[in-house]
Amino acid sequence: DQQVKQNSPSLSVQEGRISILNCDYTNSMFDYFLWYKKYPAEGPTFLISISSIKDKNEDGRFTVFLNKSAKHLSLHIVPSQPGDSAVYFCAASESGNTPLVFGKGTRLSVIA
Amino acid sequence: GAVVSQHPSWVICKSGTSVKIECRSLDFQATTMFWYRQFPKQSLMLMATSNEGSKATYEQGVEKDKFLINHASLTLSTLTVTSAHPEDSSFYICSARVQAKGANVLTFGAGSRLTVL
Repeated sequence: DQQVKQNSPSLSVQEGRISILNCDYTNSMFDYFLWYKKYPAEGPTFLISISSIKDKNEDGRFTVFLNKSAKHLSLHIVPSQPGDSAVYFCAASESGNTPLVFGKGTRLSVIA
Repeated sequence: GAVVSQHPSWVICKSGTSVKIECRSLDFQATTMFWYRQFPKQSLMLMATSNEGSKATYEQGVEKDKFLINHASLTLSTLTVTSAHPEDSSFYICSARVQAKGANVLTFGAGSRLTVL
């Protein structure tokens, strides 16, 4: 049973437009959520996080939205750039200290 | 910033041999490190939690005798895949918790791709 789900395996967006990556979770005990970006043959790099006491966190072009009632979070990238092309993983944990549970990832392609 | 270094980045070995992967925290001490495995087009799956000076904690379904973890110092954890078989071919990634952007996050190494012939 997958506790963190990224239902879109891939997404294509034009340069300059907004990219929206979605993530759903089933474990109501999760209260800390993170997005990671991964290039081929490299380890994931941390992008942005949000705790359950917030519904939005912004860092430059990246914004994460959390809807606790729907158990849904999303990552918005605006404007999208070709260098943003990568696989994006959503991850969640309980209380920020338990091991992260990852989704399967969404491959974002930003087309120039 | 905090860096997790992993070595080797890729390795090819014959079936039945053992392979050791090292994970180092370069500018910080890590009492706990996490080992993940990723199969193609799959999620990162936690294999085990490596604890400095004590036994590792393995996730359900991960054979502790096959995937030996040693965390002998505050900056080094090793994963040894013993008697490797082709089905062990995967991308292995280690990580440690650091403070980044005001949050407690996992920082990952670059990963090690293991191919067992």
